[in-house]
Amino acid sequence: EAQVTQNPRYLITVTGKKLTVTCSQNMNHEYMSWYRQDPGLGLRQIYYSMNVEVTDKGDVPEGYKVSRKEKRNFPLILESPSPNQTSLYFCASSYKGPGTSGSSYEQYFGPGTRLTVT
Amino acid sequence: KNQVEQSPQSLIILEGKNCTLQCNYTVSPFSNLRWYKQDTGRGPVSLTIMTFSENTKSNGRYTATLDADTKQSSLHITASQLSDSASYICVVSEGYQKVTFGTGTKLQVIP
Repeated sequence: EAQVTQNPRYLITVTGKKLTVTCSQNMNHEYMSWYRQDPGLGLRQIYYSMNVEVTDKGDVPEGYKVSRKEKRNFPLILESPSPNQTSLYFCASSYKGPGTSGSSYEQYFGPGTRLTVT
Repeated sequence: KNQVEQSPQSLIILEGKNCTLQCNYTVSPFSNLRWYKQDTGRGPVSLTIMTFSENTKSNGRYTATLDADTKQSSLHITASQLSDSASYICVVSEGYQKVTFGTGTKLQVIP
């Protein structure tokens, strides 16, 4: 089954304790992205990757890191989490398509990771 | 600043009725516009994707329209079902580098 998986699905942690949220897709997609969703603000892009070893910042990258060492995996790293990073996080993937103008291929979202930082 | 505004914020309709959701955007340059359905606590699911040259796209009971000149889009749901209860999100892309999400319309379909 074609899918995007995220782990963990729920996480409660304390300020400053490094954590990693994993994201994996089995569709051989080049493009992967991380978003956070907060009430009243909608989804905002954190980081995206157009292929292995190619990553770039989205709208709200502060406090986050990513890596893309393999095509299928795109982990989100919070080196020193703070309470303002409490949010619902989604990973997504799609085929890239030609050029850099953006893909018209369907984007598949993971089930989400609800993170609480106390 | 690029913005995507959706209206109404919330909507309650009777099962079987039709409804139309609106999306206005100021994103430029424009690459594509997507409509997603998001059930509470779950990831968004793609309904339609339209590029600049497309002005309508259907997916079952969902029909999206796009007017690139006025920068407006609508999502029309025909013969609503209880399972249509969800948030509907409009997303406009400049490309991979910039993706702007609307805050969504929360639709509730009641029997």
